[in-house]
Amino acid sequence: SAVISQKPSRDICQRGTSLTIQCQVDSQVTMMFWYRQQPGQSLTLIATANQGSEATYESGFVIDKFPISRPNLTFSTLTVSNMSPEDSSIYLCSVGRGGGNEQFFGPGTRLTVL
Amino acid sequence: EDKVVQSPLSLVVHEGDTVTLNCSYEVTNFRSLLWYKQEKKAPTFLFMLTSSGIEKKSGRLSSILDKKELFSILNITATQTGDSAVYLCAVLNAGGTSYGKLTFGQGTILTVHP
Repeated sequence: SAVISQKPSRDICQRGTSLTIQCQVDSQVTMMFWYRQQPGQSLTLIATANQGSEATYESGFVIDKFPISRPNLTFSTLTVSNMSPEDSSIYLCSVGRGGGNEQFFGPGTRLTVL
Repeated sequence: EDKVVQSPLSLVVHEGDTVTLNCSYEVTNFRSLLWYKQEKKAPTFLFMLTSSGIEKKSGRLSSILDKKELFSILNITATQTGDSAVYLCAVLNAGGTSYGKLTFGQGTILTVHP
């Protein structure tokens, strides 16, 4: 498995502000992903973070709201922009391993928007 | 659209009991089925299954996949209070723009009482 770290671990933010979440992996990986888990719900894929090109967003998620950077093969950021209370969730990054058959998750960021 | 359904949604047992968690799926391009344990924020990887009929085991946990009937089960024998968690089943997509996308089930909340 990969060693994945995320910062911050948690945050409480005011509506209308933005928060950038960082994901760092201990070795180079081709595939990195960002997921959201709303309270009481399962995980939903936001986007695939592509190195050297724009992220690929899932239906219902847009770049203006969730801009993603992937400057190299070990690091990515997700920004939650112009936050509202509905953005209160756990945000998780994951990486693909095992020839792409497995995914491992970072520790997550618990975001509360007031 | 890919779909994963888990049952039961919640389960309460006593220590020492054996439990079976179910996962059925529909996916356009199946790559693998993954089981995770989620206690706080981050899902912890348990098993990856790609082939039918081959049981994966790790201590008291085991899992098997049936690709013909499109389901998987996760067994936990001699349950302990530390097994209390949400168990997530997810299917990894192999095709096209959904390559690497994980679709999650709703999860099964397992509570083990002393």
